[in-house]
Amino acid sequence: GAVVSQHPSRVICKSGTSVKIECRSLDFQATTMFWYRQFPKKSLMLMATSNEGSKATYEQGVEKDKFLINHASLTLSTLTVTSAHPEDSSFYICSARRDLRDHEQYFGPGTRLTVT
Amino acid sequence: AQSVTQLGSHVSVSEGALVLLRCNYSSSVPPYLFWYVQYPNQGLQLLLKYTSAATLVKGINGFEAEFKKSETSFHLTKPSAHMSDAAEYFCAVSPMIYNQGGKLIFGQGTELSVKP
Repeated sequence: GAVVSQHPSRVICKSGTSVKIECRSLDFQATTMFWYRQFPKKSLMLMATSNEGSKATYEQGVEKDKFLINHASLTLSTLTVTSAHPEDSSFYICSARRDLRDHEQYFGPGTRLTVT
Repeated sequence: AQSVTQLGSHVSVSEGALVLLRCNYSSSVPPYLFWYVQYPNQGLQLLLKYTSAATLVKGINGFEAEFKKSETSFHLTKPSAHMSDAAEYFCAVSPMIYNQGGKLIFGQGTELSVKP
């Protein structure tokens, strides 16, 4: 149990366009979902925390107008990279948390974004 | 504030040798502690977690970790390395306060290489 999927696994887009990444909890309802960014050979950097039905909480330094997060249901959160630029190229990973008492996060397989 | 330090960005062992990956944490409140493994271009998989029960925690794939409060450490060990253990390992901390949002703070990661 506790499977999280991401779609797409890999995407290439042109500079200036927007791209949406989906994160789904397949067999549980996620009270909270997290979005991370990972640079090559680096650790995970938390971008934002989203709770179903409310606005996402962004970490310091993360542009909320550039990285739009929507958590419309207990099983789906989306990250939209708007007006993408080559420096946005990265590995984006989402995770989901089952309930407030459970500090374990279940991670998706990641999405490789390349902006040309 | 919580933080995690993983000593050694790269560890190399021979197949069959002991694996020891070091993790020290800083936390003003009792923490939950986690070890995750990441294979190339994949998400994170939980190896084990400490949640204030037994200080010696056994995880998957023969890994275990011991929580030592006096040393603020949570080192990961495996008695005998296997080639398939080659991956990136992340230590993470989360405060035991549920209204902190369940954020995970990750260490820098340690790349484990296993030589035949």
